[in-house]
Amino acid sequence: DGGITQSPKYLFRKEGQNVTLSCEQNLNHDAMYWYRQDPGQGLRLIYYSQIVNDFQKGDIAEGYSVSREKKESFPLTVTSAQKNPTAFYLCASSIGLRTGEVKSNQPQHFGDGTRLSIL
Amino acid sequence: ILNVEQSPQSLHVQEGDSTNFTCSFPSSNFYALHWYRWETAKSPEALFVMTLNGDEKKKGRISATLNTKEGYSYLYIKGSQPEDSATYLCARTNPGTYKYIFGTGTRLKVLA
Repeated sequence: DGGITQSPKYLFRKEGQNVTLSCEQNLNHDAMYWYRQDPGQGLRLIYYSQIVNDFQKGDIAEGYSVSREKKESFPLTVTSAQKNPTAFYLCASSIGLRTGEVKSNQPQHFGDGTRLSIL
Repeated sequence: ILNVEQSPQSLHVQEGDSTNFTCSFPSSNFYALHWYRWETAKSPEALFVMTLNGDEKKKGRISATLNTKEGYSYLYIKGSQPEDSATYLCARTNPGTYKYIFGTGTRLKVLA
């Protein structure tokens, strides 16, 4: 079945350590996203990618990095510069470019999330 | 309204009651309004996407309406069931962009 797979489900980070969260999709979607959720807050956009080898910063990109070398994969690295990384991280994808037109009237499909905690 | 706002933040209803909640958003430069249901321990699931003023969408006992001129959408649940318990998220998008701007959600608990 088509879907989005995030791994791991739980992740612990030591002080000063970089950690990478995996996101893979087999929906053939062009656009992929990373969100962060904190208690009592909505989903906040970290990074998004419209197409392979291209990505843009979202609202809270500081302390995070991404890559989009393959259409199916959009890994998120939480660097040591992110001072408050404890949160729930959601990856999503959506149908993107169709003959050059942005299709943000298409729903997003989400993974099950990764919960990151500090040791 | 600068951001997407949802109200109430949470509510409890009895099984069989009908309920509704609100998503408010900036009306300028609007493209689409999305509703999602997010059950505990699952991933958010798309319910509706609406683009036109006056749009109404329905899926079973759940329906939604859209007013783009005044910047709000209502989600209605008729005859609530315990399996409707979830957080309901709305998100808006602007033309020519991939950014989805989410509200904080309404957490619904249906009591048996």
